[in-house]
Amino acid sequence: QQQVKQSPQSLIVQKGGISIINCAYENTAFDYFPWYQQFPGKGPALLIAIRPDVSEKKEGRFTISFNKSAKQFSLHIMDSQPGDSATYFCAASFSYNTDKLIFGTGTRLQVFP
Amino acid sequence: KAGVTQTPRYLIKTRGQQVTLSCSPISGHRSVSWYQQTPGQGLQFLFEYFSETQRNKGNFPGRFSGRQFSNSRSEMNVSTLELGDSALYLCASSFGQGGGTEAFFGQGTRLTVV
Repeated sequence: QQQVKQSPQSLIVQKGGISIINCAYENTAFDYFPWYQQFPGKGPALLIAIRPDVSEKKEGRFTISFNKSAKQFSLHIMDSQPGDSATYFCAASFSYNTDKLIFGTGTRLQVFP
Repeated sequence: KAGVTQTPRYLIKTRGQQVTLSCSPISGHRSVSWYQQTPGQGLQFLFEYFSETQRNKGNFPGRFSGRQFSNSRSEMNVSTLELGDSALYLCASSFGQGGGTEAFFGQGTRLTVV
């Protein structure tokens, strides 16, 4: 199975709140899990990424939590700001000879002041 | 450094026509991947090229093809266009080492088939 399931489809958060987006996968051969942020009219931009040998990675207000046994990973956006309003995609990739990314279906985040 | 450049940004084509999209990767990147983005299907992998060779291919009909040149620039071609081919076509470039090499996306080409 090469699917990556992402939820929720949309998320509304108050400014200063925590935004949480979840993803799940089936294929244990995946070993690279990036998150991308996409604004309207733009291409996706890499936010943060993690490998299965690490349970958590933090970069500024963005944190990935990774649960290898549950085959789940999530993005936490702390102190959410209106400028974070965008669509977020989780993705997964294999370590062998490819950079192919398998994307989740996306989460549209709206942060209200 | 300059980012991934895709041309043209917008295209309107008629059913049955063919179209060629271009992607110039970041300098030094040898891998170019193409994705189709639609509201219904999300981001779907089309194909990946590394050093002028197709390294991986998604589940798209043979009407979708691509190639990569010696300078790593890539083109994708869609023949006999159908209404359902209307989408944002994105290319991403990376160093091509596989499994976790950061991929950088261009702004995409918005293709509308009428």
